[in-house]
Amino acid sequence: EDQVTQSPEALRLQEGESSSLNCSYTVSGLRGLFWYRQDPGKGPEFLFTLYSAGEEKEKERLKATLTKKESFLHITAPKPEDSATYLCAVQARNNDMRFGAGTRLTVKP
Amino acid sequence: NAGVTQTPKFQVLKTGQSMTLQCAQDMNHEYMSWYRQDPGMGLRLIHYSVGAGITDQGEVPNGYNVSRSTTEDFPLRLLSAAPSQTSVYFCASSWRLAGADTQYFGPGTRLTVL
Repeated sequence: EDQVTQSPEALRLQEGESSSLNCSYTVSGLRGLFWYRQDPGKGPEFLFTLYSAGEEKEKERLKATLTKKESFLHITAPKPEDSATYLCAVQARNNDMRFGAGTRLTVKP
Repeated sequence: NAGVTQTPKFQVLKTGQSMTLQCAQDMNHEYMSWYRQDPGMGLRLIHYSVGAGITDQGEVPNGYNVSRSTTEDFPLRLLSAAPSQTSVYFCASSWRLAGADTQYFGPGTRLTVL
């Protein structure tokens, strides 16, 4: 069965302290891996799609990477406004979509 | 563009009551879906539609009905609400199902069933 596991469950960083979030997955044929940001009381907001191992994408302080078994979301020099829950999702070849439970990131000034 | 809109934002039901959660998008997207989000769990797919008149079940369809009479609207019906259906419900849409397309999410409906 397709499965997505995110770690850590929660992460507290000081402003400027870089770190990485992990998304491990098992899927029967990866069609795409997605990263979303979700603020409290709001719907998920799209960040990145990765399609194949070795692919990397960047947006401001965020960089997403993909291997055959996991994806990392690297946050460089985070700011308090980066505080949010980050969700990872995989879409299988049969179009089945599975989400991880998310990592709740808090960045303190 | 309003994007994906959902109504109501909050709803309280009694066990056994029925109701419809509304979802609309103005982006002419073919694919629409409903998810529920529970604490400590990822978003779980309830039902989805690949176009007007076509719907299919997701991971957790029991207790929910959907229909898609127009491209814009995709309502979710709870037939007889149960406390286990207390959750936050999100509607999403994208250009197409295949090809790992980006999904745009609505703001959510927080449902409590007493």
